Amino acid sequence: EVQLVESGGGLVQPGGSLRLSCAASGFSFTTYWMHWVRQAPGKGLMWVSRINGEGSMAIYADSVKGRLTVSRDNAKNTLYLEMNNLRADDTAIYYCARDGRDNTGYYYRNFDNWGQGTLVTVSS
Amino acid sequence: SYVLTQPPSVSVAPGQTASITCGGNNIGSKSVHWYQQKPGQAPVLVVFDNSDRPSGIPERFSGSNSGNTATLTISRVEAGDEADYYCQVWGGNSDHYVFGAGTKVSVL
Repeated sequence: EVQLVESGGGLVQPGGSLRLSCAASGFSFTTYWMHWVRQAPGKGLMWVSRINGEGSMAIYADSVKGRLTVSRDNAKNTLYLEMNNLRADDTAIYYCARDGRDNTGYYYRNFDNWGQGTLVTVSS
Repeated sequence: SYVLTQPPSVSVAPGQTASITCGGNNIGSKSVHWYQQKPGQAPVLVVFDNSDRPSGIPERFSGSNSGNTATLTISRVEAGDEADYYCQVWGGNSDHYVFGAGTKVSVL
């Protein structure tokens, strides 16, 4: 069974930093692209970032580029999101999610499994 | 950037059919995915690649995509289908992922 468990959320002041983690199990972690998706309170879903299986290539939504950094430790089956210079509009539940793919390695470019999320609140 | 348009809400009586639309410029040329999110829970993928269902998703959930509109159809609606539903596509050349604003389905 695929499991994704986020941690590291909390209350942080504007301009502060935080590191989120996502522990993965139940699948071959190194062979999947992984994502961070966030949801502000009462709002819709917003894609944040994607990283490839090797951890060598990452892409970001324009609104977070330069402030948020995704990485992964395949030896620990863990995905990370380093968050710097946080703003009030970064307040959200942050989900890690796996990109769906078939047996040939074709990526559907969707989110086939999600964690339960971790809440980040940016406030003074 | 690519924009997806969903109606804010849809109401349906139990046992009837709910149709949730997702509009986008020539969306028929893209692969559309749909997610169900119940209050306080993480989203769940219910339809992928326009019309395929992940294992464990009831056949009552189906999808179609043509022209400028993709549609998620929920047949024989049950009280447990009450949730927010989001469509999503990959932006193509931008290599970004785009969600619609979501549709709240209410079961009367």
